[in-house]
Amino acid sequence: SAVISQKPSRDICQRGTSLTIQCQVDSQVTMMFWYRQQPGQSLTLIATANQGSEATYESGFVIDKFPISRPNLTFSTLTVSNMSPEDSSIYLCSTGTSRQSSYNEQFFGPGTRLTVL
Amino acid sequence: GQQLNQSPQSMFIQEGEDVSMNCTSSSIFNTWLWYKQEPGEGPVLLIALYKAGELTSNGRLTAQFGITRKDSFLNISASIPSDVGIYFCAGPGAAGNKLTFGGGTRVLVKP
Repeated sequence: SAVISQKPSRDICQRGTSLTIQCQVDSQVTMMFWYRQQPGQSLTLIATANQGSEATYESGFVIDKFPISRPNLTFSTLTVSNMSPEDSSIYLCSTGTSRQSSYNEQFFGPGTRLTVL
Repeated sequence: GQQLNQSPQSMFIQEGEDVSMNCTSSSIFNTWLWYKQEPGEGPVLLIALYKAGELTSNGRLTAQFGITRKDSFLNISASIPSDVGIYFCAGPGAAGNKLTFGGGTRVLVKP
């Protein structure tokens, strides 16, 4: 399985500012995923980030609020823009392994714990 | 969209007990994944199931892929304090590359 690191591990931010979260994988992967985990809740997929193409966003998430970069096969960033207290969550990146041509098994980074005041 | 219903939402364990949790879906899944998340960490994959009826073990953990392909079960035998955490079931959607997560089962230690 891939080893995934995230920076920062946590941050406390002021309303109206933006935070960029970095995700680094120790091997080349085609697909990377960004999730949000609100306090006490399960994981919700924000978007899928493929190298060389625009990220694909899930319903309820938009590029202006959560711009994503995927400059190469081992790295991605997620920006949380114009933050409000409702954005306080854990943000997780993940990547998959290919089995039978589908990325069913996903492996997660440690998460970035964001608190917006 | 697809939804996964996990139960129970929480449970207390006493050391040595066997515990079970399950996950059900209104639609068929071709894969079932079970994750554990500890405080301050990301989810860690415990077991992956790929065939209906499949029974797979990982140490004291055993998971089964329901024969209807709409449910899965996770059992923990002889529980120990470090089994505390949140257990999530997950499965891929129709596109095959996006995971839907259940609401989680929070395992706590009996005081």
